[in-house]
Amino acid sequence: EPEVTQTPSHQVTQMGQEVILRCVPISNHLYFYWYRQILGQKVEFLVSFYNNEISEKSEIFDDQFSVERPDGSNFTLKIRSTKLEDSAMYFCASSEPQHRATLNTIYFGEGSWLTVV
Amino acid sequence: DAKTTQPPSMDCAEGRAANLPCNHSTISGNEYVYWYRQIHSQGPQYIIHGLKNNETNEMASLIITEDRKSSTLILPHATLRDTAVYYCIVRVAYSGAGSYQLTFGKGTKLSVIP
Repeated sequence: EPEVTQTPSHQVTQMGQEVILRCVPISNHLYFYWYRQILGQKVEFLVSFYNNEISEKSEIFDDQFSVERPDGSNFTLKIRSTKLEDSAMYFCASSEPQHRATLNTIYFGEGSWLTVV
Repeated sequence: DAKTTQPPSMDCAEGRAANLPCNHSTISGNEYVYWYRQIHSQGPQYIIHGLKNNETNEMASLIITEDRKSSTLILPHATLRDTAVYYCIVRVAYSGAGSYQLTFGKGTKLSVIP
């Protein structure tokens, strides 16, 4: 069964350092997402991406975050200058192209656990 | 904020049916009910979704009331591996351009007991 894959599974970084989290979405999917989950809290939406641009973003997704699809298979989340409160599990997700009056399921990866020290 | 209300926790005996309720009294006509689960901080796993008719797949059944204000996810024969947090999510079907992102609540922590 096709799946969303994420790397690394766990990363420890020093405060102020840049971090790039990588994702390979399901191959025929064209919508991509990042969510995060701080330990013990809810899963929160960060950003969605379609046709090489951001479709939606939440208040969490401020100027320190950026997303990119550098090639035909990868989708990345960059955190420019990490803060202690960025420590969380980051989930990448993808879905098929959206068609009018239909709804396509979002599938999640297993997550990248980021620890900022 | 999530538009659904779920009990914070439930227990179910192994082998029995697990019935997880969800209230979504403010659901709109163009909104679907989605169910996901999260096993021990793994990525959320899609289970099932529906608009107004009952749905069944290999994982579960979804029963939606006629007024669509509530639903029940049924795991017919719960196993220990079904222990997880279950999320009921209301998601708009179409509102023009957009990605229809999911808004997670706190979900129901289901514990399947041997």
